[in-house]
Amino acid sequence: GENVEQHPSTLSVQEGDSAVIKCTYSDSASNYFPWYKQELGKRPQLIIDIRSNVGEKKDQRIAVTLNKTAKHFSLHITETQPEDSAVYFCAAHSGSARQLTFGSGTQLTVLP
Amino acid sequence: SAVISQKPSRDICQRGTSLTIQCQVDSQVTMMFWYRQQPGQSLTLIATANQGSEATYESGFVIDKFPISRPNLTFSTLTVSNMSPEDSSIYLCSVDGQGGTEAFFGQGTRLTVV
Repeated sequence: GENVEQHPSTLSVQEGDSAVIKCTYSDSASNYFPWYKQELGKRPQLIIDIRSNVGEKKDQRIAVTLNKTAKHFSLHITETQPEDSAVYFCAAHSGSARQLTFGSGTQLTVLP
Repeated sequence: SAVISQKPSRDICQRGTSLTIQCQVDSQVTMMFWYRQQPGQSLTLIATANQGSEATYESGFVIDKFPISRPNLTFSTLTVSNMSPEDSSIYLCSVDGQGGTEAFFGQGTRLTVV
């Protein structure tokens, strides 16, 4: 089955700096890669996603890149703000299995 | 995106008892998913529930412990049976989006077993 590894487990940045979270996956058949933000005590919320036929996608301060050959994808947050502080999860979706496999999560702290 | 209502939002239960968690979706969906999120951990898939067939359980999860019902295309329940303190966790239901890939989550059930 699919295995998703996520790094780092914790990340602290100064407000205004950029943050990068990286994930690798094992199943070459995976074709969809979402990122979720989970604030304390709340449900995971989809913030951005990318499909395997695209190399990069951007939505305002958030971008995701995908390298299919190397089987890794990354989340980039620019101009970080304190409200970006949360746990971020990457995931990979295998079309055949129709289910998501989640990474272990990254606790992002943006220091004011 | 789908609107998912999950209840209860939290409960404190005695060991040896069972709790049934309900998940209601505002539109018909083919597949519903149940996850467990232990404190400070990631999301682990318990099972996939299809309407009209038995749920498919992931490794480490069994029907006797986590029976699931899926009576129609908008509703599912997960029961945590014969609970022990190790079952203390957040349980989340989820559905696919229109693209069949992105997942939307209920607000979760925070279960504490004492």
